Amino acid sequence: NAGVTQTPKFRILKIGQSMTLQCTQDMNHNYMYWYRQDPGMGLKLIYYSVGAGITDKGEVPNGYNVSRSTTEDFPLRLELAAPSQTSVYFCASSYGAVQPQHFGDGTRLSIL
Amino acid sequence: QQQVKQSPQSLIVQKGGISIINCAYENTAFDYFPWYQQFPGKGPALLIAIRPDVSEKKEGRFTISFNKSAKQFSLHIMDSQPGDSATYFCAAQLQGGSEKLVFGKGTKLTVNP
Repeated sequence: NAGVTQTPKFRILKIGQSMTLQCTQDMNHNYMYWYRQDPGMGLKLIYYSVGAGITDKGEVPNGYNVSRSTTEDFPLRLELAAPSQTSVYFCASSYGAVQPQHFGDGTRLSIL
Repeated sequence: QQQVKQSPQSLIVQKGGISIINCAYENTAFDYFPWYQQFPGKGPALLIAIRPDVSEKKEGRFTISFNKSAKQFSLHIMDSQPGDSATYFCAAQLQGGSEKLVFGKGTKLTVNP
């Protein structure tokens, strides 16, 4: 049982490049989330989705885009990467709104 | 206010000791308070959670104490073990089933053998 799978695990980007962080879950969860984690700052919600075709902004959405075409996948797109987007990105999913969130192991992204 | 304030930032405990991590919140509309545990290189994982209609919840060596009037809650780890060394995050969620969790900034716990 894979749970939440994130790819890639590590990536270095140059300023201005774009990339997509992949997230897939095999638990048939309706709810999916993207967080970023910066040292000493906890986790900040970027975007979330309550089902296929439905997405909404979290606390720090600027510079990111998401889509949710299937229940399983919730990719996060970075356009015009900036140094401020250097972070560890976590994808999570849950069965319902007030249910445990299951996290992937993260993507460590550096923008130079 | 959406903030959850967590302290201390780091904590060192001897094996067998009690680890205590505290969190405070302002928004009385929060009604679900989970704690997540994160090991290096891994994503957070739910450890234990509480709702404000109870003052304490215990699961094994882990206990959440909740003080609704003070708007504070804490995690106690009894008989702390080196394997408990991790970063712990408290969080809060709004009533009505809001999808959004608000996390504290985390506490790095080190349990020395």
